[in-house]
Amino acid sequence: GEDVEQSLFLSVREGDSSVINCTYTDSSSTYLYWYKQEPGAGLQLLTYIFSNMDMKQDQRLTVLLNKKDKHLSLRIADTQTGDSAIYFCADESNSGYSTLTFGKGTMLLVSP
Amino acid sequence: KAGVTQTPRYLIKTRGQQVTLSCSPISGHRSVSWYQQTPGQGLQFLFEYFSETQRNKGNFPGRFSGRQFSNSRSEMNVSTLELGDSALYLCASTPTGTGANVLTFGAGSRLTVL
Repeated sequence: GEDVEQSLFLSVREGDSSVINCTYTDSSSTYLYWYKQEPGAGLQLLTYIFSNMDMKQDQRLTVLLNKKDKHLSLRIADTQTGDSAIYFCADESNSGYSTLTFGKGTMLLVSP
Repeated sequence: KAGVTQTPRYLIKTRGQQVTLSCSPISGHRSVSWYQQTPGQGLQFLFEYFSETQRNKGNFPGRFSGRQFSNSRSEMNVSTLELGDSALYLCASTPTGTGANVLTFGAGSRLTVL
């Protein structure tokens, strides 16, 4: 079945860049997504990328997509302590209808 | 513009009871989907509704059900609660007519089953 995999934990220092990686299996996804979850909150959409694109930049966020290897990454430039959260990669379920398949999430810890 | 509102935010039930969770989507969003989040299984899709019709259902037992009203508000119900149903239940609404499935999530309802 469909699967989305992420590393579970990443620790960086404030000011460094963070790179969160994700692999997915469903090659039919038209869009791929990155969400952020802070403690006690729901998921917040950070950005998404159309599957025909290789890269998308949005302020401090850069998404890279390697469709051949089914690899997606999220780079956060100048990481701040406020970026500490869990980051989820998601692809579109082939059953459609606003259904996403999420990875287990990567916990990003930013230390001062 | 108000976001997705879920009620209640926290609730405690005992095994065998049932629970109903409510979700009010963003105004104008007609698609509402539900996800269960647990530490072990992560985020798992429960079901999706559009114009009062369930269009898609995840791999959950029949104890999990839902519905959507004409104003797009949605409820989900879990009957005969089990300890393993303890989770954060997240509702998301989606506008129609856009290319991407941009889900906007509520803060969730945290259910504890004792």
